[in-house]
Amino acid sequence: DADVTQTPRNRITKTGKRIMLECSQTKGHDRMYWYRQDPGLGLRLIYYSFDVKDINKGEISDGYSVSRQAQAKFSLSLESAIPNQTALYFCATSDPSGGGHTDTQYFGPGTRLTVL
Amino acid sequence: AQSVTQLGSHVSVSEGALVLLRCNYSSSVPPYLFWYVQYPNQGLQLLLKYTSAATLVKGINGFEAEFKKSETSFHLTKPSAHMSDAAEYFCAVSGGYQKVTFGIGTKLQVIP
Repeated sequence: DADVTQTPRNRITKTGKRIMLECSQTKGHDRMYWYRQDPGLGLRLIYYSFDVKDINKGEISDGYSVSRQAQAKFSLSLESAIPNQTALYFCATSDPSGGGHTDTQYFGPGTRLTVL
Repeated sequence: AQSVTQLGSHVSVSEGALVLLRCNYSSSVPPYLFWYVQYPNQGLQLLLKYTSAATLVKGINGFEAEFKKSETSFHLTKPSAHMSDAAEYFCAVSGGYQKVTFGIGTKLQVIP
């Protein structure tokens, strides 16, 4: 079984709809991340969480919110989806071997979201 | 501030030829440098990581990268390309308490 799972894997929705993307992990890691991937832009960090009580904005958090329900679960919500949020979304985890963000990250398989 | 620049969004090599994917970085603190690989319809996985222990870093699947501080580079190489190496490769930098910054990615095509 995969260590980091994401649901759904594909989602098509309409402008203005609320969408939740879910991430679960069995790696026992405290740190979790949400990224979006766009062609030609690489990966950009949306939100990250270093433990259940710690939530931080990344570089592109506007229009998104997150919830860390447990160590193993980290959900990303789009309150009112818009077409430019069409992208591939990745969840990742890491186990802190040092301070900061220098740990190896383990990625889920991604969710392809299309907003019409 | 930190950044990475990957030269060449698409690289094509013949099977058996040398693979060279270029990455230059900018960092105001001693950097940690990463190469991740993304196979089609999958998430990213770590190929190798530089943590200042050794300038030549060996990774999985025969890949290696050399940290050159004077050139601010961390290029990824493999002596002989295999068809299974076709994927997208991302260079990334972190350091201190700065968040990881990913490059735009380089798609590697291997021609039989």
